Amino acid sequence: GENVEQHPSTLSVQEGDSAVIKCTYSDSASNYFPWYKQELGKGPQLIIDIRSNVGEKKDQRIAVTLNKTAKHFSLHITETQPEDSAVYFCALSNGQNFVFGPGTRLSVLP
Amino acid sequence: NAGVMQNPRHLVRRRGQEARLRCSPMKGHSHVYWYRQLPEEGLKFMVYLQKENIIDESGMPKERFSAEFPKEGPSILRIQQVVRGDSAAYFCASSPASGAGYFGPGTRLTVT
Repeated sequence: GENVEQHPSTLSVQEGDSAVIKCTYSDSASNYFPWYKQELGKGPQLIIDIRSNVGEKKDQRIAVTLNKTAKHFSLHITETQPEDSAVYFCALSNGQNFVFGPGTRLSVLP
Repeated sequence: NAGVMQNPRHLVRRRGQEARLRCSPMKGHSHVYWYRQLPEEGLKFMVYLQKENIIDESGMPKERFSAEFPKEGPSILRIQQVVRGDSAAYFCASSPASGAGYFGPGTRLTVT
């Protein structure tokens, strides 16, 4: 089945700095790429998504970039705040089920 | 507009008992996905259902596990004869089509 790699597994940044998380995949049929944020004891929350016909999408401090040729997509968080601390999961879909990356634990240090 | 509802939020079962987990999708959503998450791990796909149909159950163990999404009522994930290894958080997600999944708060199953 499809395998999604996600790096780094843990990331610590100072408040106000930027954070970047990258995912790589192998299935060229993947056409939808969401990112989820999961806080302790809660379900994953969709924060941004991108479809294969778009290269970049931005929503306030969060942006996602997609390189279909190289089969990778990245989450960018600017001006990080302590409340951004959580586990972030990338995911992808080819129109059937979703495959998730293993997650990145982001810590924003005040 | 209520989000995805799951109940119970916490469920304790003894080995050998049955566990029934319920998921009510968001209004207007006809696609439901179930995932399992172990502590400090990612989400593992189990099953994808549409109303009255199982679309993909490739992630679900062949024995003891079953899922349904009837025409009326919530989706049910059923685990028979639970074992300690079934202890995990089970999340469902719903979507209006095979697109963005919106997750529920999860059911934390503990098998004693």
